[in-house]
Amino acid sequence: AQSVTQLDSQVPVFEEAPVELRCNYSSSVSVYLFWYVQYPNQGLQLLLKYLSGSTLVKGINGFEAEFNKSQTSFHLRKPSVHISDTAEYFCAVVHQAGTALIFGKGTTLSVSS
Amino acid sequence: DAGVIQSPRHEVTEMGQEVTLRCKPISGHNSLFWYRQTMMRGLELLIYFNNNVPIDDSGMPEDRFSAKMPNASFSTLKIQPSEPRDSAVYFCASSLTLDLYEQYFGPGTRLTVT
Repeated sequence: AQSVTQLDSQVPVFEEAPVELRCNYSSSVSVYLFWYVQYPNQGLQLLLKYLSGSTLVKGINGFEAEFNKSQTSFHLRKPSVHISDTAEYFCAVVHQAGTALIFGKGTTLSVSS
Repeated sequence: DAGVIQSPRHEVTEMGQEVTLRCKPISGHNSLFWYRQTMMRGLELLIYFNNNVPIDDSGMPEDRFSAKMPNASFSTLKIQPSEPRDSAVYFCASSLTLDLYEQYFGPGTRLTVT
């Protein structure tokens, strides 16, 4: 069985500070990993994905994530956040042979000036 | 491209009434997904279609929920009869068959059942 755990439900940070949103998954087989972002009153949109290859994945808006197989983690990072990054961030996992994305509970990133 | 289109954006109805949510996927996308989002349960996959055929409906909560996809450009999610616990935001998403994991979400329908 697969599951994904987002360790922090809320992360408040100041503008221009670095941020890390944590995600751990559990799976007995290889997985694909994703981060989606949901801005207020909108649907989710893909931020970045790891399918294979380099463990450091770069996404849109300056975000990046690193796949760590030994720690079963896929943490999302940004070196300097903006007010506009305020949103809900979802980590998701899927088995390579499966079709359903399994989403974490989400982390609310609040950026203030 | 217009993206995934959902209607209505907001729906308020009384318990016991029938509710129909509508979705138009991105043109050329062969897979369509219905999700429900609540504070308590987060984002849940309800049902998934591929080439208009339902593939996995194990997430549909109970018989009051039904979904159809009569053609490649339209899908409905129906709740009959509706209950207050059905209040949630319902999202539709679509993807190309060969890249199922990159899903494009609609803006959602906020359903309130009183």
